[in-house]
Amino acid sequence: DVKVTQSSRYLVKRTGEKVFLECVQDMDHENMFWYRQDPGLGLRLIYFSYDVKMKEKGDIPEGYSVSREKKERFSLILESASTNQTSMYLCATAGPNTGELFFGEGSRLTVL
Amino acid sequence: AQSVTQLGSHVSVSEGALVLLRCNYSSSVPPYLFWYVQYPNQGLQLLLKYTSAATLVKGINGFEAEFKKSETSFHLTKPSAHMSDAAEYFCAVRVTGANSKLTFGKGITLSVRP
Repeated sequence: DVKVTQSSRYLVKRTGEKVFLECVQDMDHENMFWYRQDPGLGLRLIYFSYDVKMKEKGDIPEGYSVSREKKERFSLILESASTNQTSMYLCATAGPNTGELFFGEGSRLTVL
Repeated sequence: AQSVTQLGSHVSVSEGALVLLRCNYSSSVPPYLFWYVQYPNQGLQLLLKYTSAATLVKGINGFEAEFKKSETSFHLTKPSAHMSDAAEYFCAVRVTGANSKLTFGKGITLSVRP
């Protein structure tokens, strides 16, 4: 089974802090994604990556950056957290054929 | 660009009743379609997927969905709801050749009454 592990399930940060959300997958998939989930808005794509050191903006990249130094690891960075970034963050990796996504358990971030 | 519409945000059914969750898609090319389920405080789990083979797709936990091109729909059904089906359900679309990028609907919360 594919395993996608997000390092922190729950985080509480203060406005202006730098936040790192880590995601690791064990299936050697090239494609990795960061989504944000908010009630009534569904999942919105923040950034995605098709290869090491490669990244592309999704639908809502403002206020975020990403890093992919190794194939198995995809990090989401909030350079200066703000209260409107309080949300559930979901990492996913994609299978090579149909594009089915495999999700981690999510990281719930609260910014005070 | 592709999109999905899930009308309504909440559906409530009695245990043993039919579950019907609606999804309509918009795509200019043949799509791949997915239904995911999310239980409280968990990530999303694939229920089933349509990838241009059989139009009636069976998934896990007794769910199935039918792809209807003429109606641009991919509704999710289950003949008899169980209490454990209470969760949030997301429909998603992927345009072929779009490098695995999925577009999700806003989700529907299913409640099951005893």
